[in-house]
Amino acid sequence: QKEVEQDPGPLSVPEGAIVSLNCTYSNSAFQYFMWYRQYSRKGPELLMYTYSSGNKEDGRFTAQVDKSSKYISLFIRDSQPSDSATYLCAMSAYTGNQFYFGTGTSLTVIP
Amino acid sequence: GAGVSQTPSNKVTEKGKYVELRCDPISGHTALYWYRQSLGQGPEFLIYFQGTGAADDSGLPNDRFFAVRPEGSVSTLKIQRTERGDSAVYLCASSPATSAHTQYFGPGTRLTVL
Repeated sequence: QKEVEQDPGPLSVPEGAIVSLNCTYSNSAFQYFMWYRQYSRKGPELLMYTYSSGNKEDGRFTAQVDKSSKYISLFIRDSQPSDSATYLCAMSAYTGNQFYFGTGTSLTVIP
Repeated sequence: GAGVSQTPSNKVTEKGKYVELRCDPISGHTALYWYRQSLGQGPEFLIYFQGTGAADDSGLPNDRFFAVRPEGSVSTLKIQRTERGDSAVYLCASSPATSAHTQYFGPGTRLTVL
């Protein structure tokens, strides 16, 4: 079993929709949870990070962590065509430690 | 300021050859990471430097892979006797000491072994 599981999609939504992206994990030692966006042939770009459980909001993006269920989510409100990319979740146990990534979910927002 | 840069952006080599991939981290970032990303997969950890020393090299797949960071800034990933299975995008990331849980990635080097 992989440390981090993520549905690869692809996911296709109309512009303006709310998008929900999710990851599950098996290692209860994970404390830091990140979401990255990756455009084709580019490096991953950090969107948000969360420490431990709870919610964090940044503009149209909301990250949620439920450590009891080992489940994290990223919500994108009012999705835009420019949000079309692959979204990667990542997590680590300790600060400065290696990140464990999901496989990424491919998202297309249709104008 | 400038982000993480990686050179070359693309490298095509023949099976059995030696390659070097370079990473310039964000200025002042003390931690540097190498990852490998295959098509349709998330990045996989290779090695982590804190300063000049390799703090964790548990992700290096075998002894054909080696990385250095002699002055605590630029790093070079070296692959000997390349194999077709080494073909992937090699990503470098750096993070500051004050926020070590956030890693900033470069654009990657796309390595193709023929």
